[in-house]
Amino acid sequence: DIQMTQSPSSLSASVGDRVTITCRASQSFRTSLNWYLQRPGKAPKLLIYAASSLQSGIPSRFSGSGSGTDFTLTITSLQPEDFATYYCQQTDSTPYTFGQGTKLEIK
Amino acid sequence: EVQLVESGGGSVQPGGSLRLSCAASGFTFSTYWMHWVRQAPGKGLVWVSRINSDGSDTSYADSVKGRFTISRDNAKNTLYLQMNSLRAEDTAVYYCARDPCTAGVCYFNYWGQGTLVTVSS
Repeated sequence: DIQMTQSPSSLSASVGDRVTITCRASQSFRTSLNWYLQRPGKAPKLLIYAASSLQSGIPSRFSGSGSGTDFTLTITSLQPEDFATYYCQQTDSTPYTFGQGTKLEIK
Repeated sequence: EVQLVESGGGSVQPGGSLRLSCAASGFTFSTYWMHWVRQAPGKGLVWVSRINSDGSDTSYADSVKGRFTISRDNAKNTLYLQMNSLRAEDTAVYYCARDPCTAGVCYFNYWGQGTLVTVSS
């Protein structure tokens, strides 16, 4: 199974800040890496798929990059609605594992 | 509008069974792979199972293999998860999710609201 490790596990930032979340895979794969946002009590929401493709309707302040074992999610100019938990997920092979999550909190 | 609506959750004793349903609307259900993902209270997301568009191929997490069965009825636009021999550690919100999975690019672009399964004596 491919293990996904996110860092940091939690992060404090202010509105307007730029933040980066990283995701490291235990095995290399090309770009089968997705990013989701989850607000408390809500279902996850797709942000980025295939490592760098922005899902329709997602603001351009979200971007993704990486391949192989190291991937990043960058959020420029944080907005109040961005404070939530973020998950990476690999879909290279089953089981489609998620990272443990990164909780982004308001400083 | 794409909608996925889960139902069938509830409280059950250890060793019991439940069948979850996910009613799909607003898209051509029979052309999409579908998944179940669960989230224990206060914990992260865990992939549970996947079924391809015509139901001929399935895959499971090791933690549920042999106990859970994923299936679909494309005529009824409904996804199912039959859960047997339930354990306390199966307690979670269960989400169904849609996956376009085209040319090896797979991702979950729509999710249901989730249904809570509680396994407790």
